[in-house]
Amino acid sequence: EIVLTQSPATLSLSPGERATLSCRASQSVGSYLVWYQQKPGQAPRLLIYDASNRATGIPARFSGSGSGTDFTLTISSLEPEDFAVYYCQQRSDRYTFGQGTKLEIK
Amino acid sequence: QVQLQESGPGLVKPSETLSLTCTVSGDSLSSYHWSWIRQPPGKGLEWIGYIHYSGGTHYNPSLKSRVTISGDTSKKQFSLNLSSVTAADTAVYYCARTSGTYILDYWGQGILVTVSS
Repeated sequence: EIVLTQSPATLSLSPGERATLSCRASQSVGSYLVWYQQKPGQAPRLLIYDASNRATGIPARFSGSGSGTDFTLTISSLEPEDFAVYYCQQRSDRYTFGQGTKLEIK
Repeated sequence: QVQLQESGPGLVKPSETLSLTCTVSGDSLSSYHWSWIRQPPGKGLEWIGYIHYSGGTHYNPSLKSRVTISGDTSKKQFSLNLSSVTAADTAVYYCARTSGTYILDYWGQGILVTVSS
């Protein structure tokens, strides 16, 4: 089973700042990595697929990068609505998720 | 617009079978994969399995012995059965469309299922 480890667990930033979230895989997943955003009481929302492709309707301030075992989600300038929990996910013999990074307002 | 809606009992007794249905609108089951995912309260996401548009299934090995996912294309529904439940199966259960073989692009709103006597 491929394990995804996200860091940091919690990130405290202010609106307008740049956020950098990390997801590390225990073995290579190529570019088969997805990022989701989840707000309290809501289902996750697809942000980025295939490591770097923005999903339909996702603002340009969200970007993804990486391949192999190391991936990054960057939010260039935080908006108030961006404070949420972010998960990465991969496919292999099963889909697995990281444990999440909570992005909170400082 | 693709929409998914979970339905089923919100309370299940220990050792019984949890049964949920996902109703799809705006799309056909005869394409994509269709997944179930769960999230225990305050915790992360766990993929349960999917049904392929051809009818084939693929399950999380950790749950495989207890899970069955089936589909009814005429009703545009797919279902989850999870047997021999315990309190550890208490979670919000989501259904989702799966594109590109692994991308969960449309999700239902989720349904909380509590396992308790």
